[in-house]
Amino acid sequence: DIQMTQSPSSLSASVGDRVTITCRASQIISSYLNWYQQKPGKAPKLLIYAASNLQSGVPSRFSGSGSGTDFTLTISSLQPEDFATYYCQQSFSTLALTFGGGTKVEIK
Amino acid sequence: EVQLLESGGGLVQPGGSLRLSCAASGFTFSSYAMSWVRQAPGKGLEWVSSISGSGSSTYYADSVKGRFTISRDNSKNTLYLQMNSLRAEDTAVYYCAKDSKFTIFGVVFYYMDVWGKGTTVTVSS
Repeated sequence: DIQMTQSPSSLSASVGDRVTITCRASQIISSYLNWYQQKPGKAPKLLIYAASNLQSGVPSRFSGSGSGTDFTLTISSLQPEDFATYYCQQSFSTLALTFGGGTKVEIK
Repeated sequence: EVQLLESGGGLVQPGGSLRLSCAASGFTFSSYAMSWVRQAPGKGLEWVSSISGSGSSTYYADSVKGRFTISRDNSKNTLYLQMNSLRAEDTAVYYCAKDSKFTIFGVVFYYMDVWGKGTTVTVSS
């Protein structure tokens, strides 16, 4: 199976900060990479699909980049509602989808 | 409005069985693949199983292969997950999700764009 490694596993940031989360795949996955946001007690929400495409209704402060094995989720100006856990997920191998371990974004 | 509503979770003893359901509304159910994803208490997301729109193709994580069966009834707009030989490590919130696709230059990308609220499965004696 393709392993997805996120870093950092957690971070503390302030409102207005620029936040970057990294996801690395154990093999080349082209742009088959999605990002999700999950708040406590809630279902995950799709933010970015195919590495860099913003899901409808998601604020433009979220952006995704990367291809191959290395990917980035960037929040350009952190807002109070963005404190959550973020997961990457590869869809290159449809026989075995895998998620990263998650990155928890906390208030500094 | 596109909605998914899971049901069927509960407390079951190790070795027991449970069937989860996911009722879909607001979209043409048979046109979309569907997936189950679970989250153990305090842990991350784990893909469990997926099924094509017609139901002819199914996929499973190694951790559930041979014990879980995914199926769908397109006439009832409902997705199922039959879980047998349950273990303590199957304890989790189970989410169903709608799989959408994005095609560019002939390349198809899949993603889970709608999720249910989840149903809790607890395996314990």
